[in-house]
Amino acid sequence: NAGVTQTPKFQVLKTGQSMTLQCAQDMNHEYMSWYRQDPGMGLRLIHYSVGAGITDQGEVPNGYNVSRSTTEDFPLRLLSAAPSQTSVYFCASSPDPKRRLYEQYFGPGTRLTVT
Amino acid sequence: AQSVAQPEDQVNVAEGNPLTVKCTYSVSGNPYLFWYVQYPNRGLQFLLKYITGDNLVKGSYGFEAEFNKSQTSFHLKKPSALVSDSALYFCAVRDYSSASKIIFGSGTRLSIRP
Repeated sequence: NAGVTQTPKFQVLKTGQSMTLQCAQDMNHEYMSWYRQDPGMGLRLIHYSVGAGITDQGEVPNGYNVSRSTTEDFPLRLLSAAPSQTSVYFCASSPDPKRRLYEQYFGPGTRLTVT
Repeated sequence: AQSVAQPEDQVNVAEGNPLTVKCTYSVSGNPYLFWYVQYPNRGLQFLLKYITGDNLVKGSYGFEAEFNKSQTSFHLKKPSALVSDSALYFCAVRDYSSASKIIFGSGTRLSIRP
């Protein structure tokens, strides 16, 4: 299994541009999520999904959209990039839809810079 | 509100010495607690979890964590540190307001000197 994969690894955007960060997993996990990691702030949840067709907001959803058309894929869309969205983005998945008991599996991350 | 605190931004330990990375939590019910490790330029990796049962939880790479309900702590420990243990460590707790969310601490950077 490849586990959780993310593309691209690095991206530079100009303010106002849009883009999609890709995330895929081949473990048939129901639960998928997106986090952003900023220095001194740990990881903050952006959006999550407990199954295909179901998404919900996390702690910091503004400026981001998600969709979950298949179990495998969970793309994150930046609608109009802002410098405040400069961060490292991690996608994660878990076999437990409510993620009560099981650990999450993380992708390698996407480092995004918005100028 | 549920939260976890990691009071130390950095912990420095000599190789071969025991290490402790501290974590305290605040939850309204029984806590589900986790430790993750992040190596440079990598995603987080699961180390161990506490759900219920024995207060001493054993995990990957020789790490263990001690759950202490009276002190609301879940400190990560290892009897003998390795240089390869140098990484960023995150404590996390399940959010009771939504079972689908997990709350991460701010992280502690562990540095093991040879």
